[in-house]
Amino acid sequence: QVLLQESGPGLVNPSETLSLTCSISGGSIYNYYWTWIRQPPGKVLDWIGYIYYSGSTSYNPSLKSRLTISVDASKNQFSLKLSSVTAADTAFYYCARGGFNRPLDYWGQGTLVTVSS
Amino acid sequence: DIQMTQSPSSLSASLGDRVTITCRASQGISNSLAWYQHKPGKAPKLLVYGVSRLESGVPSRFSGSGSGADHTLTISSLQPEDLATYYCQQYYTIPYTFGQGTKLEIK
Repeated sequence: QVLLQESGPGLVNPSETLSLTCSISGGSIYNYYWTWIRQPPGKVLDWIGYIYYSGSTSYNPSLKSRLTISVDASKNQFSLKLSSVTAADTAFYYCARGGFNRPLDYWGQGTLVTVSS
Repeated sequence: DIQMTQSPSSLSASLGDRVTITCRASQGISNSLAWYQHKPGKAPKLLVYGVSRLESGVPSRFSGSGSGADHTLTISSLQPEDLATYYCQQYYTIPYTFGQGTKLEIK
């Protein structure tokens, strides 16, 4: 059973960088795409972007200028950095396996990140 | 962006009922349509992908159908554990987009 776990600060100051890591257990990061999704409270799920284990990425154009997704295959992890955050970036953030014209077959439980001073 | 219009936004049904949730895509998405189940505090779960392919381990009371713009998730006989919010997603064109969700309640 593949398990994914998001980790990172639950509170970020406005204008700073939001950083999250997704740790994968029970399976390998190799040969798969890995995706970040978020959901602001009471709003729709928002696709952030994905990364292949080799490092190639695809981002949501609405976030591209502030977004970096990276992978550390040796640690079976991938990460998200979103810069210059505002209150609009407050959301539950989920990591999942899948992407590039594939469904998301395993998800983490999500982590709430609040942007506030 | 492709808009995924999902309906209804909420639904109350009795145990044993047949439940149908619909999703309409604003543009062509080929067969790249998935349905997810999300229970509070838990990881979302893939139910159906490729419009009608049941994910391994998902009960056979769940089924997906559709073609072109219009797609449907059906639960043939509602069970207590089906209390959840359901989402459709297109994974054909970036940015991949989700429906607004259908919150299913048990009467």
